[in-house]
Amino acid sequence: DTEVTQTPKHLVMGMTNKKSLKCEQHMGHRAMYWYKQKAKKPPELMFVYSYEKLSINESVPSRFSPECPNSSLLNLHLHALQPEDSALYLCASSQDKDRGAYEQYFGPGTRLTVT
Amino acid sequence: QKEVEQNSGPLSVPEGAIASLNCTYSDRVSQSFFWYRQYSGKSPELIMSIYSNGDKEDGRFTAQLNKASQYVSLLIRDSQPSDSATYLCAVNMDASKIIFGSGTRLSIRP
Repeated sequence: DTEVTQTPKHLVMGMTNKKSLKCEQHMGHRAMYWYKQKAKKPPELMFVYSYEKLSINESVPSRFSPECPNSSLLNLHLHALQPEDSALYLCASSQDKDRGAYEQYFGPGTRLTVT
Repeated sequence: QKEVEQNSGPLSVPEGAIASLNCTYSDRVSQSFFWYRQYSGKSPELIMSIYSNGDKEDGRFTAQLNKASQYVSLLIRDSQPSDSATYLCAVNMDASKIIFGSGTRLSIRP
């Protein structure tokens, strides 16, 4: 089973709202990732968690705040976003990035629109 | 700047023919290479991974890796209309992350 789930599928929020994106995997993977993807562009890495600890923050603005409550769950908290933050937000997981197991499996994504 | 380069396409191939997708990368120490398929409006789906020089076959898909030339390719045999998608090449640049190419749009014409 290589399933990563994400909720919600679609989200529309105003610039003053606070919302959260959720991601879950039950494959026993120890690394989880957030990506942002704009139309006709490749995914851009935002954050990496390894063994529930934040290991990479790709200079993402503080209005995006990741959280990893346990090894199966990954959240992305959103606050005071800008219209240019509208994009497809993808969660991915891999078995263990530190042991060279880099195959990443993506969830279906959350389509975010900021108005 | 570590880079992964792909021809953006669109690459148009007749149904039943072989589609050949190419990718070059800049970092000589890269060890892991991946091909993802992405349908419009959907998320990327891993279809092949390759770690050693040579060919790796899985069904109608063959990945080819040449580390000396810093080149990785994907062949799709007996192309079907359902293969029409964007194909993303991804390369690990260090122990922490993979870098995606900009993707090649493939169109299979009936």
